[in-house]
Amino acid sequence: QVHLAQSGAEVKKPGSSVKVSCKPSGGTFSYYAFSWVRQAPGQGLEWMGSITPMVDKVNYAQKFQGRVTIIADKSTTTAYMELSSLRSEDTAVYYCAREGRRVPVAGMDYYYMDVWGQGTTVTVSS
Amino acid sequence: IQLTQSPSSLSASVGDRVTITCRASQGISSYLAWYQQKPGKAPKLLIYAASTLESGVPSRFSGGGSGTDFTLTISSLQPEDFATYYCQQLNDYPRALTFGGGTKVEIK
Repeated sequence: QVHLAQSGAEVKKPGSSVKVSCKPSGGTFSYYAFSWVRQAPGQGLEWMGSITPMVDKVNYAQKFQGRVTIIADKSTTTAYMELSSLRSEDTAVYYCAREGRRVPVAGMDYYYMDVWGQGTTVTVSS
Repeated sequence: IQLTQSPSSLSASVGDRVTITCRASQGISSYLAWYQQKPGKAPKLLIYAASTLESGVPSRFSGGGSGTDFTLTISSLQPEDFATYYCQQLNDYPRALTFGGGTKVEIK
């Protein structure tokens, strides 16, 4: 059974950056893409972006373009999400999720998020 | 693409049949998933490709629809099903993945 282990809770000042890690316990790291999803207190889920380690391809949600950086370290099989210029509205639980459920359709593959990390709470406060 | 879930919350009893709706702002074929989330926990994949049951998920859960209108049905609500449910679309995969606003299922 694959698990995604995320780094611990963070408290940050407005204007600073935070970097959250996500390390799968098993499976082939480079084969899958990993998404980052956040959830503000009492709110819904918000997709931030994803990375496919095999080809180092990243996709970012338009809302976070320029503020988020997602990388994958193949040597340590760890994915990272860094969010900069933090503000109070960035206070949230940040999840990584493996895109592991493949559905081929008309020559293209679609991957659904089948395994999730435990979440990392990021609090932005002065 | 916007996803609108309805209702935003509902109260139901154990044994009830419950249906949640997800409407997309434009056609998304069958590129839709449903997730269940319990308080303080990560989301869990229930249904993908609109109607395919994820391994290990009880058969009382079912998904349907295509294009713009989708449903998640729980045929006989169990105590462990009280949670919040989210739909997610992958029409523009791997870009611009979006979630619906969620439907909270509470005990009546």
